[in-house]
Amino acid sequence: DAGVIQSPRHEVTEMGQEVTLRCKPISGHDYLFWYRQTMMRGLELLIYFNNNVPIDDSGMPEDRFSAKMPNASFSTLKIQPSEPRDSAVYFCASSLGTFGYTFGSGTRLTVV
Amino acid sequence: GESVGLHLPTLSVQEGDNSIINCAYSNSASDYFIWYKQESGKGPQFIIDIRSNMDKRQGQRVTVLLNKTVKHLSLQIAATQPGDSAVYFCAEKTSGSRLTFGEGTQLTVNP
Repeated sequence: DAGVIQSPRHEVTEMGQEVTLRCKPISGHDYLFWYRQTMMRGLELLIYFNNNVPIDDSGMPEDRFSAKMPNASFSTLKIQPSEPRDSAVYFCASSLGTFGYTFGSGTRLTVV
Repeated sequence: GESVGLHLPTLSVQEGDNSIINCAYSNSASDYFIWYKQESGKGPQFIIDIRSNMDKRQGQRVTVLLNKTVKHLSLQIAATQPGDSAVYFCAEKTSGSRLTFGEGTQLTVNP
């Protein structure tokens, strides 16, 4: 299994631009999670899906952030417009049931 | 002024020694716990997990102990190797499927 696949690995964008992060979960997994990691706040859960349905988005910072999961093998996290304080590493994770979460390698986002 | 990041607890050990990394969790209703290892530039890597109906679980060179009375979790690494150097996170499954992470501990193994 290729594991959880995220793209791009690095993204540098200008303030105000739209940013889209992508995730392919492990095949057969029914949960998908988006996390953000910063030095200030550590690892924070942004949103998670079960069977492609958003279950808990209480961690999404504000309306500039949105996440979708159109099918079982793909999810996106979009930031529009992006701001410098959004700079962080964004991780996607997936699990079968609610145990044994597996993380991707992350997308390092820099907003200048 | 400049923002100050998290100040991670650190643990420095000699190669071959045993390491113990501790974690205090917050929610007495948490029913599942995971230890992750994160190397620089990589995502968290699953090490070992334990459910709340157990107090000990062993893996290869690692043991997790759970004390629900004092809400404490520990990770023991036997015969620590330089490749074990990383940041270690404990995580607890709180409400629903939400996994909440601790602040992490930086383990440094000296050859």
